[in-house]
Amino acid sequence: DAKTTQPNSMESNEEEPVHLPCNHSTISGTDYIHWYRQLPSQGPEYVIHGLTSNVNNRMASLAIAEDRKSSTLILHRATLRDAAVYYCILSRPGGSSNTGKLIFGQGTTLQVKP
Amino acid sequence: DTGVSQNPRHKITKRGQNVTFRCDPISEHNRLYWYRQTLGQGPEFLTYFQNEAQLEKSRLLSDRFSAERPKGSFSTLEIQRTEQGDSAMYLCASKVAGSTDTQYFGPGTRLTVL
Repeated sequence: DAKTTQPNSMESNEEEPVHLPCNHSTISGTDYIHWYRQLPSQGPEYVIHGLTSNVNNRMASLAIAEDRKSSTLILHRATLRDAAVYYCILSRPGGSSNTGKLIFGQGTTLQVKP
Repeated sequence: DTGVSQNPRHKITKRGQNVTFRCDPISEHNRLYWYRQTLGQGPEFLTYFQNEAQLEKSRLLSDRFSAERPKGSFSTLEIQRTEQGDSAMYLCASKVAGSTDTQYFGPGTRLTVL
């Protein structure tokens, strides 16, 4: 399974944008880039995913490098509720032969200061 | 609430006792996953089901662990002869097979073995 590398922790001020980086230099052509986050005492929740093009949804934006060896999760205006551990995960879709299991690293712990 | 539910949310047991956890996935999801998360680490894959068939088990799943999904709906995870090292959060997730669809996680069951 291809590996991702993220900083252990980051800090942000409330109402400011946050850019969370992820390196995945061994990504294969069929790997999707997924981001999940885990708030304290909760299960992980899906944030966003993409393959090659940048993606936007109501929670965040995902910027994917042209060579796909890195990506950045962008929270446009951090709130205190965004304080969580953010995981960048590579996932290979496919038919029934693909397990779909997620391989989590240690993620980035985001602190948001008021 | 149509999300993934897990029961109990917390379980405290003495070493050597057996415990059983239950997961109710989102109803139309045919895949169900179990993960374990220890303090400060990301979740680790344990096993998964497609409908009622258990298709993969991690090496983390010792012979004291057994999981079932008898009718392809809810699942149970049993740990026999618990050890202190089993203390962790046990997370359940579900999804639709064969797609890039996200996994939806439950809130987890926190097990403490005294």
